[in-house]
Amino acid sequence: NAGVMQNPRHLVRRRGQEARLRCSPMKGHSHVYWYRQLPEEGLKFMVYLQKENIIDESGMPKERFSAEFPKEGPSILRIQQVVRGDSAAYFCASSSLAGGSEQYFGPGTRLTVT
Amino acid sequence: AQSVTQPDIHITVSEGASLELRCNYSYGATPYLFWYVQSPGQGLQLLLKYFSGDTLVQGIKGFEAEFKRSQSSFNLRKPSVHWSDAAEYFCAVGESAGGTSYGKLTFGQGTILTVHP
Repeated sequence: NAGVMQNPRHLVRRRGQEARLRCSPMKGHSHVYWYRQLPEEGLKFMVYLQKENIIDESGMPKERFSAEFPKEGPSILRIQQVVRGDSAAYFCASSSLAGGSEQYFGPGTRLTVT
Repeated sequence: AQSVTQPDIHITVSEGASLELRCNYSYGATPYLFWYVQSPGQGLQLLLKYFSGDTLVQGIKGFEAEFKRSQSSFNLRKPSVHWSDAAEYFCAVGESAGGTSYGKLTFGQGTILTVHP
């Protein structure tokens, strides 16, 4: 049973470009969470999704960031017009329940904005 | 709002010594508590979790943690540290089922563990 998959593992973008980060949850998991880890900081919640629905995006920046989890395919975190401050590690986690169960994390995507 | 405090940013121990990493949380109801470990450049691996029941929980790699409601703490312990335990450790709190935050986790700042030979 494969774990949570994220790709790419490393992504370099120039300022102003778009970044797309992909996450495939563990088999049988329908709940996906995205977290961001900035240098010298812990992980911060960004968004929680179920298939075709954004349930909680209270941690998402108001502009340039969006997320989706389509009926088919991986969850996508999209960052438009990246800036240097977006450089971070982005982790996806999945769980079988919304609350009350452990979340399993992917290896992360390390985004560098030059 | 829930919050987690890990008072120690960096801890250094000798191999074979005992270890305790501190974690204090703030949460209005019964929390779900977790400890994760992260090696450099890697994702997070779950060490152990507390949902209910016995307040002393056992995890992988010889780790254990004790939930103390009166102190709002969930400290991680290991009786004898191995060099391979060097990593960053994160305590996290999640809302119980039926809450409104849908299980999102709030993490502490992390504690970096260095192990001397």
